[in-house]
Amino acid sequence: DIQMTQSPSSLSASLGDRVTITCRASQDIGNYLTWFQQKPGKSPRRMIYGATNLEDGVPSRFSGSRSGSDYSLTISSLESEDVADYHCLQSIQYPHTFGAGTKLELK
Amino acid sequence: EVQLVESGGGLVQPGRSLKLSCAASGFTFSNYYMAWVRQAPKKGLEWVATISTSGSRTYYPDSVKGRFTISRDNAKSSLYLQMNSLKSEDTATYYCARHPRVPFDYWGQGVMVTVSS
Repeated sequence: DIQMTQSPSSLSASLGDRVTITCRASQDIGNYLTWFQQKPGKSPRRMIYGATNLEDGVPSRFSGSRSGSDYSLTISSLESEDVADYHCLQSIQYPHTFGAGTKLELK
Repeated sequence: EVQLVESGGGLVQPGRSLKLSCAASGFTFSNYYMAWVRQAPKKGLEWVATISTSGSRTYYPDSVKGRFTISRDNAKSSLYLQMNSLKSEDTATYYCARHPRVPFDYWGQGVMVTVSS
């Protein structure tokens, strides 16, 4: 099975900060990497697919990138509404596997 | 508007069974793979099962294989998850999700399953 190692597990940042969350894949997953945002008490929302493509309606301060087996989600300037848990998912093969998640809080 | 509404959750004793349902609307259900994803309390997401458009192919992780069965009724636009031999570690919120080529674009609100004596 492909392991997705997500870091950090939690992150505290100030409004306006640049924030980066990373997932490392244990095997080649190409660009089959999706990022989800989950606000407290809510269902996950797909934010980025194909490693770099923003879903319609996602603010442009969000971006996705890839460097080898490392995949990153970056928020260029943190806003209060971005406080949430973030999850990565690989879907190149079954079993699909998620990272352990990152809890993003305001400092 | 795409809607996925889960039902059937609750408290169940270890070793017993439970069946979850998901009612879909707002899209042509029979055209899409569908899936279940769960989240244990204060934990991350875990993919649980996927079913093909016709129901002829199903996929599971080892953690539930042989105990859980995903099925669908395209005439009723409904998805199901039969859970047998439940364990305490199956305690989680279970989400129904649409599973196109890039999973999971729409999610239900989730239903809680608690396995405890």
